Amino acid sequence: DGGITQSPKYLFRKEGQNVTLSCEQNLNHDAMYWYRQDPGQGLRLIYYSQIVNDFQKGDIAEGYSVSREKKESFPLTVTSAQKNPTAFYLCASRSTTITYGYTFGSGTRLTVV
Amino acid sequence: SQQGEEDPQALSIQEGENATMNCSYKTSINNLQWYRQNSGRGLVHLILIRSNEREKHSGRLRVTLDTSKKSSSLLITASRAADTASYFCATDASTSNTGKLIFGQGTTLQVKP
Repeated sequence: DGGITQSPKYLFRKEGQNVTLSCEQNLNHDAMYWYRQDPGQGLRLIYYSQIVNDFQKGDIAEGYSVSREKKESFPLTVTSAQKNPTAFYLCASRSTTITYGYTFGSGTRLTVV
Repeated sequence: SQQGEEDPQALSIQEGENATMNCSYKTSINNLQWYRQNSGRGLVHLILIRSNEREKHSGRLRVTLDTSKKSSSLLITASRAADTASYFCATDASTSNTGKLIFGQGTTLQVKP
């Protein structure tokens, strides 16, 4: 079945530590996105990529980094510079050739311990 | 930046009743989309309505768009307990086909059996 896989489902980060969230899709989508969701709130865009080896900052990119070395993969690194990383992280993808909505992964819940 | 504002923030109805959620936005859009999120899960795309469309149906869902008022509504008819979830509107106001979506803060719907 085609879809997006995010891993791990739960992640715990110690102060000063970098952690990487995985996002893999087999939908052959060109565009991929990372959003952050805080409790009871909507989604805010962190980074997005429309093509391999290219990505753009979203509204809240500070303290995060990404790479897009393969079409299928768009990992997000939460660095120690992100002062409030506890949140639910959602990865999404979409086709750039047809107008349709995003396909989302099931999310990674990151907690600082 | 949060473009969409949803109303009401929370809605509780009995099974079989209709549920209406509203979304307002601020800028010109390419399309507007509605998503559902079950607790702790990723978002699921429900319906997309383009800026030149006024109404769209999908099963028990009916979406309207009024670009003059910059507002949209989602109607779920004959609601079921399984419709209990959070519902988000998202606007695509992007240029250059980036497909970036700006999400509202969502409406939490509870359908009582």
